[in-house]
Amino acid sequence: AQSVAQPEDQVNVAEGNPLTVKCTYSVSGNPYLFWYVQYPNRGLQFLLKYITGDNLVKGSYGFEAEFNKSQTSFHLKKPSALVSDSALYFCAVRVYLSGSARQLTFGSGTQLTVLP
Amino acid sequence: GAGVSQSPSNKVTEKGKDVELRCDPISGHTALYWYRQSLGQGLEFLIYFQGNSAPDKSGLPSDRFSAERTGGSVSTLTIQRTQQEDSAVYLCASSLQQGDRGGYTFGSGTRLTVV
Repeated sequence: AQSVAQPEDQVNVAEGNPLTVKCTYSVSGNPYLFWYVQYPNRGLQFLLKYITGDNLVKGSYGFEAEFNKSQTSFHLKKPSALVSDSALYFCAVRVYLSGSARQLTFGSGTQLTVLP
Repeated sequence: GAGVSQSPSNKVTEKGKDVELRCDPISGHTALYWYRQSLGQGLEFLIYFQGNSAPDKSGLPSDRFSAERTGGSVSTLTIQRTQQEDSAVYLCASSLQQGDRGGYTFGSGTRLTVV
């Protein structure tokens, strides 16, 4: 089975400050990890992914995430938050093993609010 | 098309009625997924289609839910005898192929309200 946990329902941060949105995962095998963002009344948009290689991945809009295998985490970060970053963020995982689930499993989402 | 298209964008229906939700994936994408997003909840997997293979229906919550994909392209999600707990945003996504490392492209969703 594969699962994702986003321990914070809500994260508030002041504009210009660094932000972190937390994600931990549980899989049997090597994970492929993703972050998506959802703006109001919109579908999910892909931000970044970790497949293999460098543990620090960079994505759209200045976001980055670090894959930490020992802590089974994939936290989303940005050095300087913008008000326009306010949205709902989802972490997702999948693993490619014979017989494993083929679909992405999503976390429950974290609402990020950047305060001006 | 350039993106994943879903219709209708909003649907209000009376309890007990049947509804059909449509998804038109990106041309050439062989994998198609349906998810449900309830208020305050994450995304719940419903069903997955890959090419001509039998769909993975393991996420469908009850036998009132069904989906088909005609000609490997457009998909329709049908909910029979709708209940109030079916109210949610239904999201469709497609990807180039099973195991696509690029993740999914999502549509904007259909907001279903059962009254």
